[in-house]
Amino acid sequence: DAGVIQSPRHEVTEMGQEVTLRCKPISGHNSLFWYRQTMMRGLELLIYFNNNVPIDDSGMPEDRFSAKMPNASFSTLKIQPSEPRDSAVYFCASSPGFGAFFGQGTRLTVV
Amino acid sequence: AQTVTQSQPEMSVQEAETVTLSCTYDTSESNYYLFWYKQPPSRQMILVIRQEAYKQQNATENRFSVNFQKAAKSFSLKISDSQLGDTAMYFCALPRVQGAQKLVFGQGTRLTINP
Repeated sequence: DAGVIQSPRHEVTEMGQEVTLRCKPISGHNSLFWYRQTMMRGLELLIYFNNNVPIDDSGMPEDRFSAKMPNASFSTLKIQPSEPRDSAVYFCASSPGFGAFFGQGTRLTVV
Repeated sequence: AQTVTQSQPEMSVQEAETVTLSCTYDTSESNYYLFWYKQPPSRQMILVIRQEAYKQQNATENRFSVNFQKAAKSFSLKISDSQLGDTAMYFCALPRVQGAQKLVFGQGTRLTINP
């Protein structure tokens, strides 16, 4: 298995632009998570899906952030409009029910 | 609420030495998993080892082992015969709610293995 695949690996965008991060979970895993990592706040859970259904989005910072999981093999995290404070590494992770397996992350820089 | 505390922001040891990273946690659950993750400079988050709370035997994965003290809510990671490739951030993690896998992470310990 190729593991959790995220794209792009790096994204640099201007403030106000829309950013879409993509994730392909490990086949057969029924849970998917989006995390954000910054030096100041560490690893934060943004949203959690179970069987493609959003279960808990209480970690989503504000309405500018949205996430979808249209099927078991694909998820997106969208930021619109982006702001410099959104700069961070965004991780997608999937789980078969215990433990989470992470993608390599997307480093987002908003200038 | 579940909390995870790693009290050692940084540690440094010589290659081949044994090092122990500390983690304490708080949970109201009676059965749960605990995890250690490694994040090398490549920033990949790698699952190192997991422990099921109902198991008394400490988990072991090659050079990595844990000392799980359920009553004390302590979950330390021991790395034996440390190698340069072990240099990384190490995070202790606990699921937020039993049965769900929303992991709560500690602040991390930056471990450096010196040649």
